[in-house]
Amino acid sequence: TQLLEQSPQFLSIQEGENLTVYCNSSSVFSSLQWYRQEPGEGPVLLVTVVTGGEVKKLKRLTFQFGDARKDSSLHITAAQPGDTGLYLCAGPWPYGGSQGNLIFGKGTKLSVKP
Amino acid sequence: KAGVTQTPRYLIKTRGQQVTLSCSPISGHRSVSWYQQTPGQGLQFLFEYFSETQRNKGNFPGRFSGRQFSNSRSEMNVSTLELGDSALYLCASSSNNSPLHFGNGTRLTVT
Repeated sequence: TQLLEQSPQFLSIQEGENLTVYCNSSSVFSSLQWYRQEPGEGPVLLVTVVTGGEVKKLKRLTFQFGDARKDSSLHITAAQPGDTGLYLCAGPWPYGGSQGNLIFGKGTKLSVKP
Repeated sequence: KAGVTQTPRYLIKTRGQQVTLSCSPISGHRSVSWYQQTPGQGLQFLFEYFSETQRNKGNFPGRFSGRQFSNSRSEMNVSTLELGDSALYLCASSSNNSPLHFGNGTRLTVT
């Protein structure tokens, strides 16, 4: 059983559509991070959420950390082909542990067609 | 500022051989972590080094080992390679418990 469950696993949408990706756990995390990874490259950090209930915006991307700090979501408004990639959520584990020791969800592979 | 550099980018090895992968962190970063990425298991933590000391270790067999040098550069070694070791090996560095910066990985294929 994955400590961080991401859904959906795959998502194929048309340019201009909205989408939400979920990252859920039965455990509490001190923080959660979202990364995007493109083929042949390493993951790139998008955002870190730390406080329960926190909402962070990065242009068309909105990230939310659940009140109980067990889940997070990523919402993309008006998706563009450049948003295509693998979206990963991750958190330090065990709780409060080093930022270098992250547990990752398996990712959501997003494809945005023009 | 140069990013995290991993060498080589691609590697093909035969079962039973051993392999050494190298990682140069961002200048000033003293923490280096290694991850294995496979289609089936996703990204899994291997180990973390800070100031030449292993700080954390993931759930991998003893065939996987690593070290960090005084200049923060790190190497990981896999001995007695198995087909299942085929993966993308990612190195990441950080400073003062800040978020990780990943390199582009070494793609290892074991035949």
